Amino acid sequence: EVQLVESGGGLVQPGGSLRLSCAASGFTFSSYSMNWVRQAPGKGLEWVSYISSGSSTIYYADSVKGRFTISRDNAKNSLYLQMNSLRAEDTAVYYCARDGGIKGYYYYGMDVWGQGTTVTVSS
Amino acid sequence: EIVLTQSPATLSLSPGERATLSCRASQSVSSYLAWYQQKPGQAPRLLIYDASNRATGIPARFSGSGSGTDFTLTISSLEPEDFAVYYCQQRSSWPLTFGQGTRLEIK
Repeated sequence: EVQLVESGGGLVQPGGSLRLSCAASGFTFSSYSMNWVRQAPGKGLEWVSYISSGSSTIYYADSVKGRFTISRDNAKNSLYLQMNSLRAEDTAVYYCARDGGIKGYYYYGMDVWGQGTTVTVSS
Repeated sequence: EIVLTQSPATLSLSPGERATLSCRASQSVSSYLAWYQQKPGQAPRLLIYDASNRATGIPARFSGSGSGTDFTLTISSLEPEDFAVYYCQQRSSWPLTFGQGTRLEIK
């Protein structure tokens, strides 16, 4: 079964740090780009970061640039998000999502999602 | 940044009716657009990729159309399990962006 499982969320004070993990199984993790997407309470989806299959290409949303770092370990089938200098507005459910990518003329969407891990930034 | 505007914000319909959801992009995204369904307490689920292709396991009552700046998600005959929030998302340029969502509720 194709599966993504996030972990590492929790309660952290403003200015603190947290590291999220996403464990992949059931597919060849090293062949896929990955994303982090978050959802603040009662709000819509917000893309956070992208990493290509070999880590050569990385993008961030402006809202997290300079504070968050995405990385992956293909040998461990794992994706990470290091979050520093956390703010109240970073409070959200964080999802990892597999990127189907653009192949030929088709964009295949974010086709596999984890169940999410909750990050709460509060004093 | 490409802004995706979804309309309406809320759509109230009855089971068996046809639903038409709109997503408009601030500039052309070609066909690099996906649609997702999200139910309360669940992760989003991919419905449509590349504007008009159903993802694996998605029922035929869901269809997508459009290219460039105007896109539509149609549900031909609503089932009770279709009442949820729907998001469009573009992959034409960075940053990736989502629409604000359309809530489909039971009338």
